[in-house]
Amino acid sequence: GNSVTQMEGPVTLSEEAFLTINCTYTATGYPSLFWYVQYPGEGLQLLLKATKADDKGSNKGFEATYRKETTSFHLEKGSVQVSDSAVYFCALSDRDSSASKIIFGSGTRLSIRP
Amino acid sequence: NAGVTQTPKFRVLKTGQSMTLLCAQDMNHEYMYWYRQDPGMGLRLIHYSVGEGTTAKGEVPDGYNVSRLKKQNFLLGLESAAPSQTSVYFCASSYSAGGEAFFGQGTRLTVV
Repeated sequence: GNSVTQMEGPVTLSEEAFLTINCTYTATGYPSLFWYVQYPGEGLQLLLKATKADDKGSNKGFEATYRKETTSFHLEKGSVQVSDSAVYFCALSDRDSSASKIIFGSGTRLSIRP
Repeated sequence: NAGVTQTPKFRVLKTGQSMTLLCAQDMNHEYMYWYRQDPGMGLRLIHYSVGEGTTAKGEVPDGYNVSRLKKQNFLLGLESAAPSQTSVYFCASSYSAGGEAFFGQGTRLTVV
């Protein structure tokens, strides 16, 4: 079945550092890929998405590129801020409408030091 | 625009008690999902629905039942609560297969 594997945390960085959180997936067909962010005490919010190979999703300075050849969707940001501290989830959604479900990775907790 | 609303937000149950969690969405979404979130385990899919009147099992369905009698509502039931069901429960909905999910704020359930 489909699965998502992401980098284990926690990850602690200094402000303005470069961020990479790795995500790889296993899926049949061509899923949509997502990064969600969860701030303390809240539900998940969509951060960015990509729906086909070589698409780049971007939002709030974060980027991720859908790499079909390496089945990866790594999250990057060039200069992190304290406000980026949160838990980040990689996810995929298959497009087969008879069995559509969204599968999440285990989450990566990110802490940014001032 | 309320989006996805979950009730209640907090609940403490005794072992063996039953309860129903309600999820309501006002976005006319076809797909709805129930997840549980436990430390270090991410979100695990309990049950989901691809349309009114349909339900399907996810990754961890045992001990839970669901119903989708109306398109906007997706109910999660615990018939006989166990301490292993202590968790944070999230409901989500999406418009289409492959589409992004919109989440509720979560229900923190403790079973003692």
